[in-house]
Amino acid sequence: EDQVTQSPEALRLQEGESSSLNCSYTVSGLRGLFWYRQDPGKGPEFLFTLYSAGEEKEKERLKATLTKKESFLHITAPKPEDSATYLCAVQASDYKLSFGAGTTVTVRA
Amino acid sequence: EAQVTQNPRYLITVTGKKLTVTCSQNMNHEYMSWYRQDPGLGLRQIYYSMNVEVTDKGDVPEGYKVSRKEKRNFPLILESPSPNQTSLYFCASSTSGRAPEQFFGPGTRLTVL
Repeated sequence: EDQVTQSPEALRLQEGESSSLNCSYTVSGLRGLFWYRQDPGKGPEFLFTLYSAGEEKEKERLKATLTKKESFLHITAPKPEDSATYLCAVQASDYKLSFGAGTTVTVRA
Repeated sequence: EAQVTQNPRYLITVTGKKLTVTCSQNMNHEYMSWYRQDPGLGLRQIYYSMNVEVTDKGDVPEGYKVSRKEKRNFPLILESPSPNQTSLYFCASSTSGRAPEQFFGPGTRLTVL
């Protein structure tokens, strides 16, 4: 069974304090690993797709990396507007999608 | 505007009263899916559809039905809702390429009394 585990569950940061979120996964035939951002009461918003180990993608203060067993989302010099829940998901060879429970990030000014 | 719409956005119902949550997308996407989101459990996939008349079970399909008669619509049917189906539901769509971005709807908050 495909499994996605995110850690930590919650992360409180001071503005400008860089940190990393972890997503470890087991999947049968990885088609891709996704990172999404979700604000309270809203649907998830796409950030990145990573396809193979060694791949990296960046967007503003966010950088996602992928190994064969885990992915990291690095937040560099975060701002209060980066406060959200960050979701990791994997798509298996049968096109089924599995999400982790998410990491809730709070950035204080 | 490219979007996924869901109706209703909020619904309170009683045990056993059949209901349908509609989902529609205007992006000509092949792939559509339904998720439920519960505190501490994250998003769990209920059903997904690769194209018209093609549907498959996700991780938590029990108690739900879906149909895909048209490309743009993917309704979620609860034949006999129970309190454990109280949840926040999201519909999503995407193209059928390799691990494409999913576009999510705004969510439907369902309460079953």
